[in-house]
Amino acid sequence: AQSVAQPEDQVNVAEGNPLTVKCTYSVSGNPYLFWYVQYPNRGLQFLLKYITGDNLVKGSYGFEAEFNKSQTSFHLKKPSALVSDSALYFCAVRDLGGNTPLVFGKGTRLSVIA
Amino acid sequence: EAGVAQSPRYKIIEKRQSVAFWCNPISGHATLYWYQQILGQGPKLLIQFQNNGVVDDSQLPKDRFSAERLKGVDSTLKIQPAKLEDSAVYLCASSLGQGRFYEQYFGPGTRLTVT
Repeated sequence: AQSVAQPEDQVNVAEGNPLTVKCTYSVSGNPYLFWYVQYPNRGLQFLLKYITGDNLVKGSYGFEAEFNKSQTSFHLKKPSALVSDSALYFCAVRDLGGNTPLVFGKGTRLSVIA
Repeated sequence: EAGVAQSPRYKIIEKRQSVAFWCNPISGHATLYWYQQILGQGPKLLIQFQNNGVVDDSQLPKDRFSAERLKGVDSTLKIQPAKLEDSAVYLCASSLGQGRFYEQYFGPGTRLTVT
């Protein structure tokens, strides 16, 4: 069965500093990985995805994520955090090999402090 | 392009009452999903439609939850009777197709509180 782990409930970072939000996954086949962001009282917004190819994926709002097959990780990163990046971030995975549903992690709350 | 619309945005009911949520997907999107997001957890798929047919409802508590998409466009999700543990945000999402490469676009959700 597929699963996603986001080990940190909360990440705090100062504005202008780099940020990392961690995600590890488990699938039986090859992974199809996503990051979504959720602002208060809003639905999930797509940030980026990885299917195959370059391990560094660039997405919306200056975010990027690095796929590491050996560590089964897909950490979200941004070189310089903004206060407006403060939100709830979800990592999600589905198995490329089958028609399986998208499975989400429990989310990590990012707080960027001015 | 209009996004996924959901109504109502908030609903408070007492346990054992019934409630219904409505979703209008992005125009042209054949696949529609209903997710349940309990506080502190990620969204969990309840049911997936392809046009007006059910693709996956394996995690839908069928004794109390039902969903339909009669004309292959709008969808309703119903809970009858509601329990306290049904308190959650119910998210609707849509995608162009059901293939795994299609992105899902989410609505703002309906926050249900069962007292």
